[in-house]
Amino acid sequence: DVKVTQSSRYLVKRTGEKVFLECVQDMDHENMFWYRQDPGLGLRLIYFSYDVKMKEKGDIPEGYSVSREKKERFSLILESASTNQTSMYLCASSSTSGQFRDTQYFGPGTRLTVL
Amino acid sequence: AQKITQTQPGMFVQEKEAVTLDCTYDTSDPSYGLFWYKQPSSGEMIFLIYQGSYDQQNATEGRYSLNFQKARKSANLVISASQLGDSAMYFCAMREARVLTDSWGKLQFGAGTQVVVTP
Repeated sequence: DVKVTQSSRYLVKRTGEKVFLECVQDMDHENMFWYRQDPGLGLRLIYFSYDVKMKEKGDIPEGYSVSREKKERFSLILESASTNQTSMYLCASSSTSGQFRDTQYFGPGTRLTVL
Repeated sequence: AQKITQTQPGMFVQEKEAVTLDCTYDTSDPSYGLFWYKQPSSGEMIFLIYQGSYDQQNATEGRYSLNFQKARKSANLVISASQLGDSAMYFCAMREARVLTDSWGKLQFGAGTQVVVTP
């Protein structure tokens, strides 16, 4: 079974703090994604990565950065957290080949609250 | 422009009944894929079923089936014999051809349909 794990289920941070959200997948997937999900706004893509050290901006990259130093790990960084970044953050990974090519498998999500 | 449209924001269904969740999509690519995901209140997105644009038959996976009508650009999810555990938000998503749009496997998601199964 594909397994995607995220470092925290719940996180509370203060405005201005630097926040790291970690995502690890164990299926040797090439692609990894970070989304945020807000009521009424659906899933919005923040960043994605198609290879180690490669990254592409999604629809809402402002205020975020990412790091992918190893294939299995994709980190989302909030350089200076703000209250409008309070949200549910979902990580996903997918393969570029095989029967389930491009099927995204998600982690359990991190509910981040910025006070 | 909205690429995936789910017109039903929410619906109630009785246990053991079948339910159909609507999804229409918009693409000019000949090669694309359609996905359905389930998101229970716990928050995790669970992959349910996939349909490729060139697949001749409708996809099925246990109690889930996908009613794929290519000409109408619709990909409705049918859940048969609903169970209480089916109560969740359901999302339709589409992947367009990587070569044409350089999409890198990105998915476009619909707004979702909230399903509540009642005893």
